[in-house]
Amino acid sequence: KQEVTQIPAALSVPEGENLVLNCSFTDSAIYNLQWFRQDPGKGLTSLLLIQSSQREQTSGRLNASLDKSSGRSTLYIAASQPGDSATYLCAVRRYNTGKLIFGQGTTLQVKP
Amino acid sequence: GAGVSQTPSNKVTEKGKYVELRCDPISGHTALYWYRQSLGQGPEFLIYFQGTGAADDSGLPNDRFFAVRPEGSVSTLKIQRTERGDSAVYLCASSPGQGRNNSPLHFGNGTRLTVT
Repeated sequence: KQEVTQIPAALSVPEGENLVLNCSFTDSAIYNLQWFRQDPGKGLTSLLLIQSSQREQTSGRLNASLDKSSGRSTLYIAASQPGDSATYLCAVRRYNTGKLIFGQGTTLQVKP
Repeated sequence: GAGVSQTPSNKVTEKGKYVELRCDPISGHTALYWYRQSLGQGPEFLIYFQGTGAADDSGLPNDRFFAVRPEGSVSTLKIQRTERGDSAVYLCASSPGQGRNNSPLHFGNGTRLTVT
């Protein structure tokens, strides 16, 4: 059974810091991995999707990496801003299934 | 264009009542997903539709939960004999679907269900 874990559960940093959020999964037979952002009371917004054959994806100040063999992904946020404050979730999709398995999320607070 | 729309945004019901939650996916998206999210947790998979059929309903917790998508667009999640433990945010997502499994999911804002 696939399990997805995110560490830390919460993180508080001063504005301008570079930071890394971690995601680990127990079954390396994944189709892709996605990182989402969730603001309070809102749905999820897709940030980055990494296919199983890829090592990383970048969008603006965000960079996500994938190491299937070790069952890990990281989300790197450069030069953090207060507007980055939200909960960040990773989710893996197995081959031949439609469903995503989510981690419990990391709640980030960026202080001005 | 319009995103995934869920109605109602909030629903309060008494224990034992029946509720229906509605999801309007992005036009043209053939894949539709229902998830349930409890406070402080990641979303938990309930059911996935490809077109009109349920491709995977392994996440439905018991037979009180049922979902339909009769015309391959709008979907309704139905919960019978609600229990206080059903209280959660119910999220719907859609994606282009078959043959495009590397497309990201687009989520609605959810329906917050409270069972008193």
